Amino acid sequence: EPEVTQTPSHQVTQMGQEVILRCVPISNHLYFYWYRQILGQKVEFLVSFYNNEISEKSEIFDDQFSVERPDGSNFTLKIRSTKLEDSAMYFCASTQGKGQPQHFGDGTRLSIL
Amino acid sequence: GQNIDQPTEMTATEGAIVQINCTYQTSGFNGLFWYQQHAGEAPTFLSYNVLDGLEEKGRFSSFLSRSKGYSYLLLKELQMKDSASYLCAVINRDSNYQLIWGAGTKLIIKP
Repeated sequence: EPEVTQTPSHQVTQMGQEVILRCVPISNHLYFYWYRQILGQKVEFLVSFYNNEISEKSEIFDDQFSVERPDGSNFTLKIRSTKLEDSAMYFCASTQGKGQPQHFGDGTRLSIL
Repeated sequence: GQNIDQPTEMTATEGAIVQINCTYQTSGFNGLFWYQQHAGEAPTFLSYNVLDGLEEKGRFSSFLSRSKGYSYLLLKELQMKDSASYLCAVINRDSNYQLIWGAGTKLIIKP
């Protein structure tokens, strides 16, 4: 069964550095998402992406964050000037159409030191 | 505003049945999802309700009443591996079909 893949599984970075989290959505899916989950807290929506542009973003997704689909398969989340509070699990998800089930990758655990 | 409420934690016995409730208030309701999340892992899709009624899938069933803003997830013949958090999420078409998440219900299964 096709799945969403994310790399790396764990990223440890010094505060102030930039990180890029990578995702390969399911190949025939058209809508892509990034979510964040701080340890012990609820899943939080960051951004949705369709047709090579952001379709929706949350208040969390400020100028520190950016997304890109550099080629036909990868979907990346860049976090600039990382802060301690950026430590969380970051999940990528994709779906074939609006309103359909979103399928999640295994996540990247980001630890900011 | 938008709000999703679930119990924080529930305990049940192996082999038994448990019902996890979810109530929501949201504009532009376009469907409700249930996800299972084991600690430290990604959410995995369990069920989807868009119309009123019961959807059955093996040991798991999900019910929706749109007029009451209410759903439940029913788990039968509980197994130890069912110990996980169960997340209720609502699709909001007024926010470009964004998923609005509940905080999840941690289900503890005891032998």
